[in-house]
Amino acid sequence: QVQLQESGPGLVKPSETLSLTCTVSGGTISSYYWSWIRQPPGKGLEWIGYIYYSGSTNYNPSLKSRVTTSLDTSKNQFSLKLTSVTAADTAVYYCARASYSRGLDYWGQGTLVTVSS
Amino acid sequence: QSVLTQPPSASGTPGQRVTISCSGSSSNIGSNTVNWYQQLPGTAPTLLIYSNNQRPSGVPDRFSGSKSGTSASLAISGLQSEDEADYYCAAWDDSLNAPYVFGTGTKVTVL
Repeated sequence: QVQLQESGPGLVKPSETLSLTCTVSGGTISSYYWSWIRQPPGKGLEWIGYIYYSGSTNYNPSLKSRVTTSLDTSKNQFSLKLTSVTAADTAVYYCARASYSRGLDYWGQGTLVTVSS
Repeated sequence: QSVLTQPPSASGTPGQRVTISCSGSSSNIGSNTVNWYQQLPGTAPTLLIYSNNQRPSGVPDRFSGSKSGTSASLAISGLQSEDEADYYCAAWDDSLNAPYVFGTGTKVTVL
């Protein structure tokens, strides 16, 4: 059974960089789109972007200038960096495995990141 | 910001049938398959329906999905109290939108 687990700071100061890592267990990082999604408190889901196992990336145009994702196949991990954060970036951040045929079939439990000084 | 439109709420009594609509465009639902996610209170979303009408292992057959043109729908037959949750449709998008777009979400209440 594939499992994903997010890790990283729960509090980030405005203008700084949000950094999260997702560790994948029970499977390997191959042939899938490893994705990040966020959900502001009380609101809906927003796709942030993905990194394919080959290393190619695709991001939400609304966040593209501030987002970077990376992959560490040796550790079965992928990561998210979001720069110049503001209070509007406060959200629960989820990592997930995606494919064109099955959508987002495995999700992490989510981690709340609060942007505040 | 959501590209796919859903009604904000739906409700029914136990045993009833509830249907949720999802409206998109030619670049997403019109040219790609639709997925549905269930988010129980305080938990992460889980995949409920993929490829318009396929259920992952473990999802009860009370849940069914369909698609026509640029719209899709999720039906819950024999509504149960544990079905009270938020439901999101989603699809890959071929335009300049985000590569994967979600619906606005529908809160299902069991009366």
